[in-house]
Amino acid sequence: AQSVSQHNHHVILSEAASLELGCNYSYGGTVNLFWYVQYPGQHLQLLLKYFSGDPLVKGIKGFEAEFIKSKFSFNLRKPSVQWSDTAEYFCAVNAYNAGNMLTFGGGTRLMVKP
Amino acid sequence: DTAVSQTPKYLVTQMGNDKSIKCEQNLGHDTMYWYKQDSKKFLKIMFSYNNKELIINETVPNRFSPKSPDKAHLNLHINSLELGDSAVYFCASSLPEAGVTQYFGPGTRLTVL
Repeated sequence: AQSVSQHNHHVILSEAASLELGCNYSYGGTVNLFWYVQYPGQHLQLLLKYFSGDPLVKGIKGFEAEFIKSKFSFNLRKPSVQWSDTAEYFCAVNAYNAGNMLTFGGGTRLMVKP
Repeated sequence: DTAVSQTPKYLVTQMGNDKSIKCEQNLGHDTMYWYKQDSKKFLKIMFSYNNKELIINETVPNRFSPKSPDKAHLNLHINSLELGDSAVYFCASSLPEAGVTQYFGPGTRLTVL
């Protein structure tokens, strides 16, 4: 069974700092990869996803993620964070033989100081 | 227009009670899910239904019983509630293919006293 690790549990940044959140998964086959965001008190929303093609994926609100197959990683990046990016970020994996089941990482809580 | 809605938003109840959480989606999706998010924010799938049929049933106590009256609704009924059932429960929906985006509801915060 696949698993997903997010090593940064809590990240605190000042506005305009650059962000990189780590995500590693364990599954040897083809995967689809997702980053979801949960703003305080709100539901999960899709930030971006990798399905196939260019491993550098651009999402909403200036976020991007790079799929590095050899490292089983799908790290999320943003060059300059804003206070409004304060949220919980979840990486998720859909293994190709798992239908449409998503396995989520434990989440990273990002706090951006104004 | 809300895509995936859940009711109630908050649910506080005593141990041993039976409760239900309702979920509706107006996206025309065939597949619906229930996830449990614990106090540490860890999110885990519980069930997946495709066109009213159970597809995935992760290791969930049989006190939890999903019911899908039609493909737009997936309700979660919980019998004999326990303290450990306290969590936020999220409903989601998607198209049936692998790798598609899942759309989440606002969540139901269940507190068992």
